[in-house]
Amino acid sequence: GAVVSQHPSWVICKSGTSVKIECRSLDFQATTMFWYRQFPKQSLMLMATSNEGSKATYEQGVEKDKFLINHASLTLSTLTVTSAHPEDSSFYICSARDPGTGLLYEQYFGPGTRLTVT
Amino acid sequence: GDSVTQMEGPVTLSEEAFLTINCTYTATGYPSLFWYVQYPGEGLQLLLKATKADDKGSNKGFEATYRKETTSFHLEKGSVQVSDSAVYFCALSGLGNQFYFGTGTSLTVIP
Repeated sequence: GAVVSQHPSWVICKSGTSVKIECRSLDFQATTMFWYRQFPKQSLMLMATSNEGSKATYEQGVEKDKFLINHASLTLSTLTVTSAHPEDSSFYICSARDPGTGLLYEQYFGPGTRLTVT
Repeated sequence: GDSVTQMEGPVTLSEEAFLTINCTYTATGYPSLFWYVQYPGEGLQLLLKATKADDKGSNKGFEATYRKETTSFHLEKGSVQVSDSAVYFCALSGLGNQFYFGTGTSLTVIP
């Protein structure tokens, strides 16, 4: 089946620094990828939709200048958390849609990245 | 807007017990409904889905029926195993194919 990977799986950074998280579709080309944020014991909240070759679409309330998304190729999307602060500490999950399945609603999720800002 | 309301946990069951996790939804139009499972340290995996009213999704002994009249998609399993211990998320995909997730229900099955 379709596999999505994320790197790193966990990262600790100091307040004020930037962190980049990668999301890769390993065995399919993903024209659309999604970035979610998951707080402890809470649900996934969609942050943005990343389309290959175009600007990401951010959900209401998500700061686009803080969470930079780049979908430079059909297999890679990156999320950069700029000037990170402790409140940005969270579990970030990406997902990708495989256009080859023809199922618009089918999404494959990565294992997530745990970000801790100290 | 679209939303999913899911039974709060945590849920603790003995092995071979019957499982029900309630899920109701609010949506414009006719959404597709899903149950995802998240094992410790892993990403979400699709457990089952239903794309129209009265459809029954099933996988690994789990079942859920898309009930339009009650706007529900309850997850059931007749006999749970220790390996079923995980967090279960109900989700819908509505207009625009955006996903909306419930808050997740943690299940622990004890031998």
